[in-house]
Order: sequence, then structure tokens, then C-alpha cells
Amino acid sequence: GAGVSQSPRYKVAKRGQDVALRCDPISGHVSLFWYQQALGQGPEFLTYFQNEAQLDKSGLPSDRFFAERPEGSVSTLKIQRTQQEDSAVYLCASSLAMGTGNSPLHFGNGTRLTVT
Amino acid sequence: QKEVEQDPGPLSVPEGAIVSLNCTYSNSAFQYFMWYRQYSRKGPELLMYTYSSGNKEDGRFTAQVDKSSKYISLFIRDSQPSDSATYLCASRIRGAQKLVFGQGTRLTINP
Repeated sequence: GAGVSQSPRYKVAKRGQDVALRCDPISGHVSLFWYQQALGQGPEFLTYFQNEAQLDKSGLPSDRFFAERPEGSVSTLKIQRTQQEDSAVYLCASSLAMGTGNSPLHFGNGTRLTVT
Repeated sequence: QKEVEQDPGPLSVPEGAIVSLNCTYSNSAFQYFMWYRQYSRKGPELLMYTYSSGNKEDGRFTAQVDKSSKYISLFIRDSQPSDSATYLCASRIRGAQKLVFGQGTRLTINP
């Protein structure tokens, strides 16, 4: 079976443009996460979905960031009016279980966003 | 101060050496501890998972958690060039979903 798929792999945006990043989780995975990884840093939590419900968006850095998962499968992370500080790798991860302790996260290879 | 601190390295060792990677954490509520390996331009992949304190061994890898000192360790025996990657420690509170990652340690194993 395929792993977590993210597209595009690379995105270059001019400052002020809007971008949309897509995540296809592993089929049947209930939980979906978005993380932001700056160069040389560990991933930082952005938001979490359980099926279509966004249960935690405490990590979204500003109201320019918006995530959705309308049918409980594919998710999109949208960034409006991109700024240079948004340049990072955006990682999506999914896991099988919801709310239990030890269901491992499966990460995609990320979308590298560069804002010029 | 970050909740999970990790020396970014870089760390370079000869093939066959024992590697020790470490993290400290500040949140006493952390119950789950993980080590992820991340190759360049790839997503992190789970290496080891432990609950609470103690040791866990899997092949050449051993994870240790000492909750009294808030210290997390990963040991790699008989290191191989293919082990060259960034190693990320991560922790999670019981009942919570989000992982808190350390900065990552970049490791190079020299043939």
C-alpha cells in the first residue's frame, strides 16, 4: 500500500500569493496531522484532524493558515498572503487510531515551500 | 525554552562505533517517547517507541527513558553508513495527540 502522499513536492511563491498544499493520507487512517519544519529544526505541530473534524488548531501561526479535511480523507493546508517566514517544509502525517496511545504516525515526504 | 531539547550536532563517527544520542525534556506530563529517523528530503520515520521509563531494544537500536531526570537516549550499535541521517526525539502527553519534537541531531557514519 502507498504511504502518505503530498503534493506538490516543491512550491515557490512570491510574497503575498496564496498557496494550497495537498495531503493524501494512508487509506483508512482516521487521524491526520500537519507539521511545519524549518531548516535545521524539528517539526512543529500545526493542526490535527480526526476524520473530518479539526480537533486542534493551536499550532497554526496566524489566521493566514487554514486547513480542511472535508470528507475525512484528503486534506489541504492553505496559506494566504504568504510571507518569507512561511518558507519551510510542510509535513503531513496520518495514523490509524484515534485518541489512543501508541498508534504510530506515518509521515509524507513534505512540501518544500519557498517564498521569495 | 523548548519543551524538548536536543543537541543539533553535527555528530560524525567511524563505521562500527556505538552512537549515543540524547534529549532532555521539561514537561513532566510527557508519557510517550519516540525516536524518528529522517533522511535528507524525506519525512521522518518511526524508529523506536517507549511508554514511560525503561529500556527498549530493537536490533541494533536501544531506547532509554529516565523520567526522574527527564532524559531520553538512543543508542546505535555497530553503526553503518546507512544510519547517516537526522535523528529526532519526540514526546507526547497521554491523551493528547500532538508530538513535540526536538531540534534533531545530524549524524554521519564514516566508512
